[in-house]
Amino acid sequence: KNEVEQSPQNLTAQEGEFITINCSYSVGISALHWLQQHPGGGIVSLFMLSSGKKKHGRLIATINIQEKHSSLHITASHPRDSAVYICAATVPSGSARQLTFGSGTQLTVLP
Amino acid sequence: GAVVSQHPSWVICKSGTSVKIECRSLDFQATTMFWYRQFPKQSLMLMATSNEGSKATYEQGVEKDKFLINHASLTLSTLTVTSAHPEDSSFYICSARTSRTYEQYFGPGTRLTVT
Repeated sequence: KNEVEQSPQNLTAQEGEFITINCSYSVGISALHWLQQHPGGGIVSLFMLSSGKKKHGRLIATINIQEKHSSLHITASHPRDSAVYICAATVPSGSARQLTFGSGTQLTVLP
Repeated sequence: GAVVSQHPSWVICKSGTSVKIECRSLDFQATTMFWYRQFPKQSLMLMATSNEGSKATYEQGVEKDKFLINHASLTLSTLTVTSAHPEDSSFYICSARTSRTYEQYFGPGTRLTVT
């Protein structure tokens, strides 16, 4: 079992729909990251959070430490939101504090 | 925001040659840099962690003599793929972190094709 699991693996939505991507983790973490990877491959860090909720534009990320669960929401989705969304946990590991990645969610937003 | 660059963005090399990939933190000092490899449709796989001025720590299964990592300054780390083989063809991504935060800043990646 992976330490970080995401669902769904693939998600297709119509433009304007509200989207939720879920992430569960089974280990103690220092922080939870949401990343976006576009088809060209470059990765953008969307959020890093260790508690509560963060919002940036149409994107909202929440985390529930007790339930070891985080969600990424996209409001009023747009075709340009189509990308792979990856959750990753900073797991205290010596001094490196490496990231443990989920398998990613391929989001396709249709016009 | 913090910016990490990689050079080159893509490279094609012949089997048996070596290729160097640079990762630079442009506006902050990166005490730790990470090198990842990503195959198509798969998630990132950590190859190694490097701290400025010390030897890199390689993940299990990653050949340190094949993937040479140098982190000579607080703004530059290099990955050299030695004696490249076609199976080394992949997307290589670096990330950088300061000592003060858990935030990692990712480079745009380098696509390596070995023919």
